[in-house]
Amino acid sequence: DQQVKQNSPSLSVQEGRISILNCDYTNSMFDYFLWYKKYPAEGPTFLISISSIKDKNEDGRFTVFLNKSAKHLSLHIVPSQPGDSAVYFCAASVPNTNAGKSTFGDGTTLTVKP
Amino acid sequence: KAGVTQTPRYLIKTRGQQVTLSCSPISGHRSVSWYQQTPGQGLQFLFEYFSETQRNKGNFPGRFSGRQFSNSRSEMNVSTLELGDSALYLCASSLNRASGSPLHFGNGTRLTVT
Repeated sequence: DQQVKQNSPSLSVQEGRISILNCDYTNSMFDYFLWYKKYPAEGPTFLISISSIKDKNEDGRFTVFLNKSAKHLSLHIVPSQPGDSAVYFCAASVPNTNAGKSTFGDGTTLTVKP
Repeated sequence: KAGVTQTPRYLIKTRGQQVTLSCSPISGHRSVSWYQQTPGQGLQFLFEYFSETQRNKGNFPGRFSGRQFSNSRSEMNVSTLELGDSALYLCASSLNRASGSPLHFGNGTRLTVT
């Protein structure tokens, strides 16, 4: 039972346009959602997070939206840049457990074309 | 501040052998988690250590084990290696155990079992 799903394995967008990466979850107990970015031959790096009590969090070009009723979140990157090309992982954690025990999706490979 | 360091970067082992991977967390981080990533898969949680104690364990067989030392450094061991154990093993540290705390990943150890 995969509790965090990223249904699009890949996404390609033009430089300067918006990139929208989606993530669905099934466990209503998740209280935090995080996005990580991973370049080849490197470990994932934290990008942005959102608490389940919020519906939006913004950090520069990155915005995460949370729709609890639909159990869906999305990461918006505006404007997209070639350096954003990477694998993006959605992750979630449950209260009263360590963030170290996060549940990850399978990732979406974003390609931003110049 | 130095990041999470994992050694070695690459390992090639034969079926039936055992292997030990090492992880040094960011200075001051006491929580260390281990994840397995196989091709096309997300990150699968292995286990998490805090203050030298295993706090959480993922759904992996007993061949996978770990430990944490008093300086927060951690090792994971896989015994009786199988071909399916070929994967990227990622170590992550976090400052505290609160849900939603970002994980800081090392660059991983690529294990190949032949």
